[in-house]
Amino acid sequence: DAGVIQSPRHEVTEMGQEVTLRCKPISGHDYLFWYRQTMMRGLELLIYFNNNVPIDDSGMPEDRFSAKMPNASFSTLKIQPSEPRDSAVYFCASSPFHIGAHENIQYFGAGTRLSVL
Amino acid sequence: AQKITQTQPGMFVQEKEAVTLDCTYDTSDQSYGLFWYKQPSSGEMIFLIYQGSYDEQNATEGRYSLNFQKARKSANLVISASQLGDSAMYFCAMSFNFGNEKLTFGTGTRLTIIP
Repeated sequence: DAGVIQSPRHEVTEMGQEVTLRCKPISGHDYLFWYRQTMMRGLELLIYFNNNVPIDDSGMPEDRFSAKMPNASFSTLKIQPSEPRDSAVYFCASSPFHIGAHENIQYFGAGTRLSVL
Repeated sequence: AQKITQTQPGMFVQEKEAVTLDCTYDTSDQSYGLFWYKQPSSGEMIFLIYQGSYDEQNATEGRYSLNFQKARKSANLVISASQLGDSAMYFCAMSFNFGNEKLTFGTGTRLTIIP
C-alpha cells in the first residue's frame, strides 16, 4: 500500500485566499483524522471521520475551517479565508477499525506545510 | 481530564547506547492504549509501538520496547543500541475511553544521537 497521501506538500498563499488540502487514506481504513502541528500548540486534532461521516469536529478552530469526506478514498480540509496564524503543518492520518480494542493505530501522511503571508 | 506528559524536551545520547524516553499519563480510565511515534527532521510521523492497558507483557518491536508501569502511570520508550538515524522528535500518545479512536499527544522529546 502507498500509505496516506497528502497534497500539496507545501503551500504558500496570501492572507485572505482560500486554501484546500487533500488527503487519500490507506485503502480499507475506516477512520480519517486531520491534525495541525505548530511549535506553540503541538499536535492538535482538528476533526475525524468514521466511514466518511464526521464524528468529532470540536478541534476545528473556527468557521473558516471546513472538512469533507465525499468518499472513502478522499478528504479535503479547506480554510477560507486564510490568515497568517493558520501557518502550520497539517497532517492527515487514517486507521483501521478494531472491535473492542484501543489498537487503532493511526498512520500519518507526510503532511502539508502551509505558509500564509 | 486525561493528560500526557513528556518531561524531557531534549536528550543527547552517544551512539550505540540505550535510550529511555519518559512518558507519564493521567487518567481514571481502566481501558486505554499507549502509542509512540517518531518524527524525523523530514517531518513525517512514524508509528513505532503500541501497548494496551490490559496487556501484561511489555510491547517490543525490534530495537524499541515500551516499559509499561501501570501503577506508576508511565509508558517509557526504550531504544536499544541507538543509531544516528534515531535522531528525531518522539511523541507519546494515548487513546482514552474504551472504543475511543482519538489520540492525545504529548509535547515530544527531541533525541539527538552523537557519533
